[in-house]
Amino acid sequence: AQSVTQLDSHVSVSEGTPVLLRCNYSSSYSPSLFWYVQHPNKGLQLLLKYTSAATLVKGINGFEAEFKKSETSFHLTKPSAHMSDAAEYFCVVSLFSGGYNKLIFGAGTRLAVHP
Amino acid sequence: GAGVSQSPRYKVAKRGQDVALRCDPISGHVSLFWYQQALGQGPEFLTYFQNEAQLDKSGLPSDRFFAERPEGSVSTLKIQRTQQEDSAVYLCASSSQGAATEAFFGQGTRLTVV
Repeated sequence: AQSVTQLDSHVSVSEGTPVLLRCNYSSSYSPSLFWYVQHPNKGLQLLLKYTSAATLVKGINGFEAEFKKSETSFHLTKPSAHMSDAAEYFCVVSLFSGGYNKLIFGAGTRLAVHP
Repeated sequence: GAGVSQSPRYKVAKRGQDVALRCDPISGHVSLFWYQQALGQGPEFLTYFQNEAQLDKSGLPSDRFFAERPEGSVSTLKIQRTQQEDSAVYLCASSSQGAATEAFFGQGTRLTVV
């Protein structure tokens, strides 16, 4: 069965320092993987997606993620955190079942950015 | 509209009351999903529509939950005889084809059952 595990429920960084949000996935076949961000009182927004093309995926707002099959990981990184990056981040795997794909979410990682 | 619209944004219901939550997907999107997000957790899948057909309702937690999309556009999630454990944010998403392409989410309806 497809699932994702986000290894940290909370991450706190200083503005201008690197961000690392960790995600491991479980999938019986080559998965489609996503990172979504959720700001308070706003809808979920797609940051980036991996669909078996390049293993290093670049997203919006300077975020990127690397698909590592050997480690079953899809960690999200950003070289330099900005105050506006403070939000909840979800790692997501797409499950193909019954002729369509549905999204399976991790529990989320809350990112705090302090001055 | 430009995005997925959900109404109401907030709903307070007394225990035992029936509620109806509305989702207006992006025009032309075939696929529509409902998710439930409890406080401090990730969204959990409830149900999926392809046009007007409800192809998957495996995530609905009980027979008190019912969803419809009669004309393949607007969808309504109905919860009968609400219970406190139904308190959550209910998210709607639409996509042009399945979910391997990008799914666009609404802002959600926060339901509080008192």
